[in-house]
Amino acid sequence: KAGVTQTPRYLIKTRGQQVTLSCSPISGHRSVSWYQQTPGQGLQFLFEYFSETQRNKGNFPGRFSGRQFSNSRSEMNVSTLELGDSALYLCASSRRGTGYSGANVLTFGAGSRLTVL
Amino acid sequence: EDQVTQSPEALRLQEGESSSLNCSYTVSGLRGLFWYRQDPGKGPEFLFTLYSAGEEKEKERLKATLTKKESFLHITAPKPEDSATYLCAVQAGETSGSRLTFGEGTQLTVNP
Repeated sequence: KAGVTQTPRYLIKTRGQQVTLSCSPISGHRSVSWYQQTPGQGLQFLFEYFSETQRNKGNFPGRFSGRQFSNSRSEMNVSTLELGDSALYLCASSRRGTGYSGANVLTFGAGSRLTVL
Repeated sequence: EDQVTQSPEALRLQEGESSSLNCSYTVSGLRGLFWYRQDPGKGPEFLFTLYSAGEEKEKERLKATLTKKESFLHITAPKPEDSATYLCAVQAGETSGSRLTFGEGTQLTVNP
């Protein structure tokens, strides 16, 4: 069974540019979440998509955006990159989304390592 | 606001030397507490979900326990391959969906 696939794995950008990261969830998983991981802040929630709709959003500026397609694949975009955006961006998928009252196990991908120069 | 604090930040053990990692949490309406393991350059790997105080789960040399305020990850007779960062996270509230709030993690090193 294929896991969560993220592309690209590594990328280098310069300040002011924009970047798009891609995530393919586990087959049958309809919820996709994105997290940013940095040494200083740890893992922080960016947003969650379910059935092509953003269901939850973390405390990040509007430069961070995302979308989900009908096949549950998701992309996130960061515009006008800043040095502080350098991080490991992790995608996670789960079977259930908003509205499920139980605990929802997330399966993470390997991440996309973004370096902003 | 949900808060998760892990201690210690780093832990060095000799192979076979058992120990425990701590995760303290403050949430409203806990739905689940999760333990993940993360190796360098990889995404977090799911270990356990705990749902209510008093619950315990085991997997090989790992045992996770939960109280109303904290969780412990006990590592019995660790091996070098147990070296990794262990992350604790909570899912809480009725409208938070899959949102996880993570602690900073404990970096475990097991020396042979």
